[in-house]
Amino acid sequence: AQSVTQLDSHVSVSEGTPVLLRCNYSSSYSPSLFWYVQHPNKGLQLLLKYTSAATLVKGINGFEAEFKKSETSFHLTKPSAHMSDAAEYFCVVSTYSSASKIIFGSGTRLSIRP
Amino acid sequence: GAVVSQHPSRVICKSGTSVKIECRSLDFQATTMFWYRQFPKQSLMLMATSNEGSKATYEQGVEKDKFLINHASLTLSTLTVTSAHPEDSSFYICSARADGLGDWSDQPQHFGDGTRLSIL
Repeated sequence: AQSVTQLDSHVSVSEGTPVLLRCNYSSSYSPSLFWYVQHPNKGLQLLLKYTSAATLVKGINGFEAEFKKSETSFHLTKPSAHMSDAAEYFCVVSTYSSASKIIFGSGTRLSIRP
Repeated sequence: GAVVSQHPSRVICKSGTSVKIECRSLDFQATTMFWYRQFPKQSLMLMATSNEGSKATYEQGVEKDKFLINHASLTLSTLTVTSAHPEDSSFYICSARADGLGDWSDQPQHFGDGTRLSIL
């Protein structure tokens, strides 16, 4: 069985400060991991993905994430938050065994203070 | 690349009406598409997996006669909410996964912008 846990339902940071959104996963097989962002009343946009290559993955809009197998984590970071980063973020896991489905975390709402 | 177009973006209609939502992959082929439902401030709930040329696979608790799915081509899947009622009001999102080489699990799903369905 596989699962995803996003440890924070809401994160608030000041503009220009670092962002850390935490994600832990559980999987019996080698996982593929993804981060998506959702702005209000919009679909999900892919930020980045990990698929067993480099453990530090760089994505769009200055985001990156590091796959740590020993900690079963895939935290999303950004050095300097921008107002436009305010949105909902979802961590997603998939494995070949999961019958074509992907598993979503519960989401983290990121707020940016001016 | 990897653009998914979902139409319409918003629908408001009377109870008892059937509503069709289209999901198109614009620049890639997708044997498999997915339909999700999202309640306010919640994550996405998978409703069904749409397979080109075959019947959709519905998740437990999703009424297949209520939510009709047709995957007529490698770039188009439709979801029809039949005889919609106020409890069907929700945000519906489709996604598509590009056909390609390697494990499907390495391929991300690409999402449409969603359809806000409001049943009066």
